[in-house]
Amino acid sequence: NAGVTQTPKFQVLKTGQSMTLQCAQDMNHEYMSWYRQDPGMGLRLIHYSVGAGITDQGEVPNGYNVSRSTTEDFPLRLLSAAPSQTSVYFCASSYGLGYYEQYFGPGTRLTVT
Amino acid sequence: GENVEQHPSTLSVQEGDSAVIKCTYSDSASNYFPWYKQELGKGPQLIIDIRSNVGEKKDQRIAVTLNKTAKHFSLHITETQPEDSAVYFCAASSNTGNQFYFGTGTSLTVIP
Repeated sequence: NAGVTQTPKFQVLKTGQSMTLQCAQDMNHEYMSWYRQDPGMGLRLIHYSVGAGITDQGEVPNGYNVSRSTTEDFPLRLLSAAPSQTSVYFCASSYGLGYYEQYFGPGTRLTVT
Repeated sequence: GENVEQHPSTLSVQEGDSAVIKCTYSDSASNYFPWYKQELGKGPQLIIDIRSNVGEKKDQRIAVTLNKTAKHFSLHITETQPEDSAVYFCAASSNTGNQFYFGTGTSLTVIP
């Protein structure tokens, strides 16, 4: 199993550009989520999905869109990048809600200039 | 929503000593508390977790304690080794289990 994979590993955007961060898992996990990690702030939940076709907002959803058309993939879209979205983004997956271990991807480091 | 506070933000210990990291949470309905270790350039990895109906859990050199009344939980690492050097995060689940709230992290350095 590859686990949770994320692409790209690094990305630099100009303000106003759009892009999609890719996330895929091969563990047949129902629950997937996106976090951003900023210095001194830990990880904050952006969006999550409890299964294909079902998504919901987390703590910091503004400026991000998600969709879940398959169990395996959960892309995160930035429609108009802003410098405040400079961060490291992690995708995670787990078998279900609650007590299940979350498996994190290696992260995408995004810089918006 | 839930508010998780974590202390200290940095911790240095001599190899072989113990390390303790403490977290508090605000929502008494939270019922699951995982701890993650993050090495440089990698994603967080679960190292131990505890459910609200348990007061303590141990796994070799790592233990977690939970005080539901005081709403705090702690990570204890004994006989620390240089490979324990990393950033550690505590987290608490929402009452519905669909969201996790993380502490701000503790950077642990084990000095050989």
